[in-house]
Amino acid sequence: ETGVTQTPRHLVMGMTNKKSLKCEQHLGHNAMYWYKQSAKKPLELMFVYSLEERVENNSVPSRFSPECPNSSHLFLHLHTLQPEDSALYLCASSQDSARGHGYTFGSGTRLTVV
Amino acid sequence: GESVGLHLPTLSVQEGDNSIINCAYSNSASDYFIWYKQESGKGPQFIIDIRSNMDKRQGQRVTVLLNKTVKHLSLQIAATQPGDSAVYFCAENGGPREDDDYKLSFGAGTTVTVRA
Repeated sequence: ETGVTQTPRHLVMGMTNKKSLKCEQHLGHNAMYWYKQSAKKPLELMFVYSLEERVENNSVPSRFSPECPNSSHLFLHLHTLQPEDSALYLCASSQDSARGHGYTFGSGTRLTVV
Repeated sequence: GESVGLHLPTLSVQEGDNSIINCAYSNSASDYFIWYKQESGKGPQFIIDIRSNMDKRQGQRVTVLLNKTVKHLSLQIAATQPGDSAVYFCAENGGPREDDDYKLSFGAGTTVTVRA
């Protein structure tokens, strides 16, 4: 275990469903991130939270809605997704910024939109 | 075995040989670099990092080399083992803005397969 836990590990949802991805970190970090990993593409940064405030929204469609209620928890709320949103969604955390520290990743949620 | 050029997506290496994975980065303002390893079904795991004031750093069986002149980063794995089979990503961080501190930009990844 890395100290960053993501649930569920796998999720299949229809395009009209609403679901949420959960991430929890036990490392005492104060920044958390959502990344999208699609086949044969680099990891794409979606959202960044620092001390529960969003510091980056990387032009992500509004059908993805993040929530960070405290520095240990991060959610990604999903609604009316498209099949091209099928991917591995990775949560990460870092102590302060990524500079000089890097990220600690969770194992991801494999999302399939049908 | 060695991956060359801007990006070679796959590398096949004989067990016991040394592996070299290459990465070209684009942001001349980047000052911190990391190599990650991602095994099947897992998230990326930190291997080794290097700051721009260094050109070489060694870990256990791994060495990272940084050439800022040509914006090139490499990861060398000594005596490659079957457990080294994974996808390897380079990542860079840096920039003049405060929120650049939070962003890691990742390369496309190189899949390393170790032959017995």
